[in-house]
Amino acid sequence: DQQVKQNSPSLSVQEGRISILNCDYTNSMFDYFLWYKKYPAEGPTFLISISSIKDKNEDGRFTVFLNKSAKHLSLHIVPSQPGDSAVYFCAAPGGAGGTSYGKLTFGQGTILTVHP
Amino acid sequence: DSGVTQTPKHLITATGQRVTLRCSPRSGDLSVYWYQQSLDQGLQFLIQYYNGEERAKGNILERFSAQQFPDLHSELNLSSLELGDSALYFCASSVSSGENSPLHFGNGTRLTVT
Repeated sequence: DQQVKQNSPSLSVQEGRISILNCDYTNSMFDYFLWYKKYPAEGPTFLISISSIKDKNEDGRFTVFLNKSAKHLSLHIVPSQPGDSAVYFCAAPGGAGGTSYGKLTFGQGTILTVHP
Repeated sequence: DSGVTQTPKHLITATGQRVTLRCSPRSGDLSVYWYQQSLDQGLQFLIQYYNGEERAKGNILERFSAQQFPDLHSELNLSSLELGDSALYFCASSVSSGENSPLHFGNGTRLTVT
């Protein structure tokens, strides 16, 4: 049972354009979401997060949108740069009520390629 | 550089053997997490320790065990290895296990079981 799904295995965009990476979840208990970026031969790096009390969080070129009714979140990168080429994972912690926020459920990842 | 150190980077061993993976968390981080990334399962949470105590458990096999030592480094022990245990094993650390304490991952140990 995949509780966090990234249905697009890959995405290719031109430098300077917008990249939109999507993520769906099935567990309505999830109340916090994170995006991680991963380069080859490195571990995942935290990018941005959003709490379920918000519908948008912005950090520089990165914005995450959350649509709770649709159980959907998306990561927007504007403008996209070649250095953004990496695998992007969305993730959600195990749940509230004292559960560790480090017990993350990850999506399968989307490979983003930004062409110069 | 995340500040999380994992050794060794690569490990090749035979079925039935036992290996130990080591992780040193970022300075000041009390929580250590172990994740497994395999081709078919993606990134899967295995286990978490906080200040020496087991805090949360995921789908960790009984053949696998972990511990966190007083100096906060952690070891993941994998025994009676099978071909299917071949994967990337990541360690991560955080200050606490709370919401505003994102995980910082090491670069992983690639285990190949032949």
